[in-house]
Amino acid sequence: QIQLVQSGPELKKPGESVKISCKASGYTFTDYAMHWVKQAPGKGLKWMGWINTYTGKPTYADDFKGRFVFSLEASASTANLQISNLKNEDTATYFCARQDRTGWFAYWGQGTLVTVSS
Amino acid sequence: DIQMTQSPASLSASLGETISIECRASEDIYSNLAWYQQKSGKSPQLLIYAANRLQDGVPSRFSGSGSGTQYSLKISGMQPEDEGDYFCLQGSKFPWTFGGGTKLELK
Repeated sequence: QIQLVQSGPELKKPGESVKISCKASGYTFTDYAMHWVKQAPGKGLKWMGWINTYTGKPTYADDFKGRFVFSLEASASTANLQISNLKNEDTATYFCARQDRTGWFAYWGQGTLVTVSS
Repeated sequence: DIQMTQSPASLSASLGETISIECRASEDIYSNLAWYQQKSGKSPQLLIYAANRLQDGVPSRFSGSGSGTQYSLKISGMQPEDEGDYFCLQGSKFPWTFGGGTKLELK
């Protein structure tokens, strides 16, 4: 079955960097793009962008240009999200998500909580 | 960006009650809308896509309707397992944008 398994929670200080991984299984990794979604505590969902898992080309929503980097380890069927120069407002759960045949996000990772605190 | 205004922000329903949640888009999204349920501490689950298509495995008490800028999710007969947060998502234009969410509780 299709699974997206994310790395564990992170506690970081402002200014530090963090890298979150999303390991896919149960399908051919390069057949589907990987998207990233942010959910701040007690808040709604915000689409961050996506990465073409075949070419490696990332596309970022405007609010996530600059400090956010999507990357791949295609041989390991893994997509990564790196956030640099962390700020308090980056405290959130980050989800990876994949579309299904309907074109909508039907498969989600379990989420990775990143806490930024001095 | 397309703004998705979702209402109400919270809702309390009795067992068996029929409820509706609305999403209004800031421009025509041509039925490119999905509804998600999110239970506490879990990932969102796709319920409805293309405004009114039921995702495989989702109970038939969930239904979606709407067109243009106005969309709604209906639950016909509230069940205890329906408690959670509900979000709409527009996929008409990048960036994809979510509604602010509706918290549904069992009265």
